Amino acid sequence: NAGVTQTPKFQVLKTGQSMTLQCAQDMNHEYMSWYRQDPGMGLRLIHYSVGAGITDQGEVPNGYNVSRSTTEDFPLRLLSAAPSQTSVYFCASSYSESSFGKNIQYFGAGTRLSVL
Amino acid sequence: GENVEQHPSTLSVQEGDSAVIKCTYSDSASNYFPWYKQELGKRPQLIIDIRSNVGEKKDQRIAVTLNKTAKHFSLHITETQPEDSAVYFCAARDSNYQLIWGAGTKLIIKP
Repeated sequence: NAGVTQTPKFQVLKTGQSMTLQCAQDMNHEYMSWYRQDPGMGLRLIHYSVGAGITDQGEVPNGYNVSRSTTEDFPLRLLSAAPSQTSVYFCASSYSESSFGKNIQYFGAGTRLSVL
Repeated sequence: GENVEQHPSTLSVQEGDSAVIKCTYSDSASNYFPWYKQELGKRPQLIIDIRSNVGEKKDQRIAVTLNKTAKHFSLHITETQPEDSAVYFCAARDSNYQLIWGAGTKLIIKP
């Protein structure tokens, strides 16, 4: 059981380049999310998905696209990289819980992205 | 929408002393409040959580208290040890079942 797997671990891009951050989970979780973490700003939600074929925007979606064709995979695409997108990116997954249940998020190891 | 504020941003305590981190939330409908610990260069991991029908929960040296009326919850760590040094995040679950995160507290344990 690998949990949540993110690739790559590190990436350097030039301004204007595009790339896809990969995220896969093997826990059959319905919920998956992408966060970015900047110093002193905690975790900010980019996009999330409540199941295959369903995605929605989070707090900071501009410049990013997502898709969810399978339960396991939730890739994050940077369309045209900008220096402001330099950050650490975390993918997370969780069970679908009842309205009064828990929402324990399991995080991947993160992708450290630098945009020059 | 939900907003979570976390204080202090940095907390330095002597080894063996207690540490308290506080969070406030804005949405009275929020009903689940987890705390995550993130060690340097690692991923965040859940350390304790509490639902809104409970006022306090304890797990060995860590405890969380919730005051629904005042809309705040706190993390308490007793008998702090060097391995407690990390960044701690609080969160509150909003009406879309998404977690809204505090900005984090860097806890430093002085030997």
